[in-house]
Amino acid sequence: GQSLEQPSEVTAVEGAIVQINCTYQTSGFYGLSWYQQHDGGAPTFLSYNALDGLEETGRFSSFLSRSDSYGYLLLQELQMKDSASYFCAVRDLNAGKSTFGDGTTLTVKP
Amino acid sequence: EAGVAQSPRYKIIEKRQSVAFWCNPISGHATLYWYQQILGQGPKLLIQFQNNGVVDDSQLPKDRFSAERLKGVDSTLKIQPAKLEDSAVYLCASSYGGLSNEQFFGPGTRLTVL
Repeated sequence: GQSLEQPSEVTAVEGAIVQINCTYQTSGFYGLSWYQQHDGGAPTFLSYNALDGLEETGRFSSFLSRSDSYGYLLLQELQMKDSASYFCAVRDLNAGKSTFGDGTTLTVKP
Repeated sequence: EAGVAQSPRYKIIEKRQSVAFWCNPISGHATLYWYQQILGQGPKLLIQFQNNGVVDDSQLPKDRFSAERLKGVDSTLKIQPAKLEDSAVYLCASSYGGLSNEQFFGPGTRLTVL
């Protein structure tokens, strides 16, 4: 089976940098994804890591360490609109099935 | 490009009643997923289709839930009979595969069971 752990809540101020961690246990790891979900909205894809290292997409970056079963999402130059829930999801090696964590609620304050 | 379509957006039923949800994925996406998202939790995969075949349904409560994707395009998810604990948002997603397996989610159906 698969399990993921991420902090339930994070608070930061506008313009700051915040890091959301995700640790996972899986029987067959293929990749780690990150999704953003605003209240009442649908999850939207942010990034994906299959190999160790940092992937950068604008203000958002994602990091993976396969040996540590650990990844993080880094959000820079925080804006009020970044207030949302952020989910990490592990993709299974065999069927491509993704298991989601329970999410981290990010609150950005002025 | 049109996104993933779902209907209805909201549904209120009483326990022991039945309900059905419909999903139309993005054109050309072979993989379709149904997720259940309970308030405060992450999406939980119920069933995954590859074209019209089931890839994974290990977390689908098969005594009450059923799903089909007959022509490899749109899909329906049914609950019969519903229980109070089925109150959740039911999300449909689709993907074309690829390295990242990016999933595109529909707006979801919010089900309330009274």
